[in-house]
Amino acid sequence: DTGVSQDPRHKITKRGQNVTFRCDPISEHNRLYWYRQTLGQGPEFLTYFQNEAQLEKSRLLSDRFSAERPKGSFSTLEIQRTEQGDSAMYLCASSPGTGFNNEQFFGPGTRLTVL
Amino acid sequence: GQQVMQIPQYQHVQEGEDFTTYCNSSTTLSNIQWYKQRPGGHPVFLIQLVKSGEVKKQKRLTFQFGEAKKNSSLHITATQTTDVGTYFCAGGGGYQKVTFGTGTKLQVIP
Repeated sequence: DTGVSQDPRHKITKRGQNVTFRCDPISEHNRLYWYRQTLGQGPEFLTYFQNEAQLEKSRLLSDRFSAERPKGSFSTLEIQRTEQGDSAMYLCASSPGTGFNNEQFFGPGTRLTVL
Repeated sequence: GQQVMQIPQYQHVQEGEDFTTYCNSSTTLSNIQWYKQRPGGHPVFLIQLVKSGEVKKQKRLTFQFGEAKKNSSLHITATQTTDVGTYFCAGGGGYQKVTFGTGTKLQVIP
């Protein structure tokens, strides 16, 4: 257990529905990352936050994806009008964000299945 | 955009043999990190390298960052069954996004 939690752990939804995932990072960590991982692939960067500021968002992301970190603590990732291609493991990671320490602590992930 | 490739994609070794995975970036990296992901698990941080030509060791694992800061390697001496998993390098971080490599899946045959 890294101290990063994600909820829910599994989500099954029908195509066209909206889903929202939550990530609670390690409390003193400033940076929070969202990744998507499919079987046999490495984590694919989606977006990241420095405190409450969203500093970068992948160009691979369509407008259907949005993420927030309103108070610089927990974060939510919303996918609107889900498609079957959105089926994947969604990973959240947090990092101290101090100096050169970029060590990321990953949560257990939310596995999304779109039917 | 930045691409980070790893070779080989898969490696099967007999327990006790050595293993090496190589990581190559299309752009110069400010730092590189290595992660291990066990089957069904999430990536776990192993180490970070920052300086050009840096070499770090953790017991049987040796990590190296290239002089040009565009490549890196992870070498495991005398593999054990507990080394099974997928090893990812990841470049960037700080105020840059982090790009994960394609990964090398290691299988150790007892």
